[in-house]
Amino acid sequence: GESVGLHLPTLSVQEGDNSIINCAYSNSASDYFIWYKQESGKGPQFIIDIRSNMDKRQGQRVTVLLNKTVKHLSLQIAATQPGDSAVYFCAEKGGAQKLVFGQGTRLTINP
Amino acid sequence: DARVTQTPRHKVTEMGQEVTMRCQPILGHNTVFWYRQTMMQGLELLAYFRNRAPLDDSGMPKDRFSAEMPDATLATLKIQPSEPRDSAVYFCASGASGGNEKLFFGSGTQLSVL
Repeated sequence: GESVGLHLPTLSVQEGDNSIINCAYSNSASDYFIWYKQESGKGPQFIIDIRSNMDKRQGQRVTVLLNKTVKHLSLQIAATQPGDSAVYFCAEKGGAQKLVFGQGTRLTINP
Repeated sequence: DARVTQTPRHKVTEMGQEVTMRCQPILGHNTVFWYRQTMMQGLELLAYFRNRAPLDDSGMPKDRFSAEMPDATLATLKIQPSEPRDSAVYFCASGASGGNEKLFFGSGTQLSVL
C-alpha cells in the first residue's frame, strides 16, 4: 500500500542557515508530490509541489528535489527565518487520486 | 481572498452526542476532502468528493461517521454517536481537479469528546 514517511521527526537550525527536510515514499507509481507547512492552530498551507517528470523545482527561498530512483523527496529552505518554524509535511498522489501525507517534521529555529 | 471555511472552530461534547462539522469549499473548486489529524496517526484521509459525489470514504468508520455534500457550497461530516477516541482536529480541504492537485485547507475543527 501507499506510505509516506519522514527520516527525522524534529530538526533544529540556526537562524540564517539553510534547512533540509527529507521524506521517503514507497509508491513508485506516485506522480505528484507536495510540501505543506503547518503552524500551530492552523491548517496545512501549500509551499511547493513537483511532478514526477521533474527532479527539481524552485520557489521563493524553497527548493524541492525529487529522486525517483531511491524514492526520496526533500525540501530545502534557504536562509531560515523564525517564521519558518512549523511542522512540514510531504504528501504524494498516486493512481488513487488522493494525497497521502507523511507524519511531519517539526522545524525549530534557534536565534 | 478565497479560503476554505470550517465551522465550528472548536467543539466540546459528551460521549454519545451527535457532532456535525461544516465546510465551505473555495468557490469553483469541485473536489472536497475530509482529513483527521491526531498526534498518533498524523493526517488521515476520511473521505473525498468530486462534483459532490463521494469517491472514497474507505478511511471513515461507517457505523458512526457520515459525509455529505448537500450542495456545491457545503460539505458536512457527522459523527453519531461520538466517542472519546474521535477527539482530533478535523480538516476540510478543497481543490480544482483536472490536473491541479493542490489542496487548500481550512483552519480545522478541534473536537473534544468527553
